Amino acid sequence: IQLTQSPSSLSASVGDRVTITCRASQDISNYLAWYQQKPGRAPRLLIYAASTLQSGVPSSFSGSGSGTDFTLTISSLQPEDFATYYCQQLSGFPFTFGQGTQLEIK
Amino acid sequence: ELQVVESGGGLVQPGGSLRLSCTASGFIVSSNYMSWVRRAPGKGLEWVSIIYSANVTHYADSVKGRFTISRDYSKNTLYLQMNSLRAEDTAVYYCVGYYYMNVWGEGTTVTVSS
Repeated sequence: IQLTQSPSSLSASVGDRVTITCRASQDISNYLAWYQQKPGRAPRLLIYAASTLQSGVPSSFSGSGSGTDFTLTISSLQPEDFATYYCQQLSGFPFTFGQGTQLEIK
Repeated sequence: ELQVVESGGGLVQPGGSLRLSCTASGFIVSSNYMSWVRRAPGKGLEWVSIIYSANVTHYADSVKGRFTISRDYSKNTLYLQMNSLRAEDTAVYYCVGYYYMNVWGEGTTVTVSS
């Protein structure tokens, strides 16, 4: 199962609302997770089951979608949100990640 | 606190072998989904392998037949035996706990080079 994220990179300002999309090559129901990774750090789970917020993650993050089309939305960007974001499907083996979206400060 | 710590990375020649270890605290490795994920320099995350239930295992096509995932109940430790290593296996390897991967180690670096 292939995942295609868009955009590959994104420039935005603090306070902006941003949306990242992830499209699966086949129906994966809601078996999708979103991760954030900062340079030199381990990834961090943000969203699982497509729309469930992981404990401790700010409510400015939200996820939606099912089947083949999914979105990650950050409602109001904070300085600490500038990072790379990945989607991952857990519907079938091998589990796969999207190619990543690098979110940069404008 | 749920935590995993990887070890065993290093420099190895092409064709060589290396065994990574991952020791968990706060949860039982043998009772949970456990995975290895890697990130090569300049690349994105790549899922490598998983073990769950009665030691059911799955692998990425890129490592199938060369890597073996296993776990030791008595040591609460996950392993990744890596054989026939190639330059393209150079990466930071992360040990990850649970099906929805919410417990990550800091990673251990594997460099395959002559």
